[in-house]
Amino acid sequence: EIVLTQSPGTLSLSPGERATLSCRASQSVSTYLAWYQQKPGQAPSLLIFSASSRATGIPGRFSGSGSGTDFTLTISRLEPEDFAVYYCQQYGSSPPNFGQGTRLEIK
Amino acid sequence: QVQLVQSGAEVKKPGASVKVSCKASGYTFNTYAITWVRQAPGQGLEWMGWISAYNGNTDCAQSVQDRVTMTTDTSTSTAYMELRSLGSDDTAVYYCARGGNGWYPDYWGQGTLVTVSS
Repeated sequence: EIVLTQSPGTLSLSPGERATLSCRASQSVSTYLAWYQQKPGQAPSLLIFSASSRATGIPGRFSGSGSGTDFTLTISRLEPEDFAVYYCQQYGSSPPNFGQGTRLEIK
Repeated sequence: QVQLVQSGAEVKKPGASVKVSCKASGYTFNTYAITWVRQAPGQGLEWMGWISAYNGNTDCAQSVQDRVTMTTDTSTSTAYMELRSLGSDDTAVYYCARGGNGWYPDYWGQGTLVTVSS
């Protein structure tokens, strides 16, 4: 079973700043990695698939990178609506586990 | 547009069963799997399993595989997830999502809160 470890657990930043979120896999997942955003009381929504492809309608300030075991989600300039919890998920092997999440909060 | 609409909140007693439905629209139902994910209060996302709407193949998490049954009804484009022998640790919001079987979940239902309480 592949374990995904996200860091940091909580990230405190201000609007306009750059956010860098990490997701590390216990073994290679190639580029079978997705990122999701979840706001309070809402379902998760897909941001990034195949490690670096933006989902439909996702703003250009969101970008994903990495392959193998190390992945990064970058938000270039934070908007107020970006403060949420972010999860990574590998979908290349079973079970397709999620990371434990990174909470992005307003500083 | 792709939509997944789930059934309403449920309150169950310990030991009972719950069946959550997920009605899909806006795409050809049998060309994607449906994934089920749950989220306990204040916790992260837990993958439960997926079912192929094409051939009914399934894959389930070990944590629930003895208690869960996933089915689909292609005539109504609806997926179902039944969880038996409920305990308090099954209290969670249950989500369905389009995808699974090597595909990322892309569209999600609104979630169904299942509360297990005596």
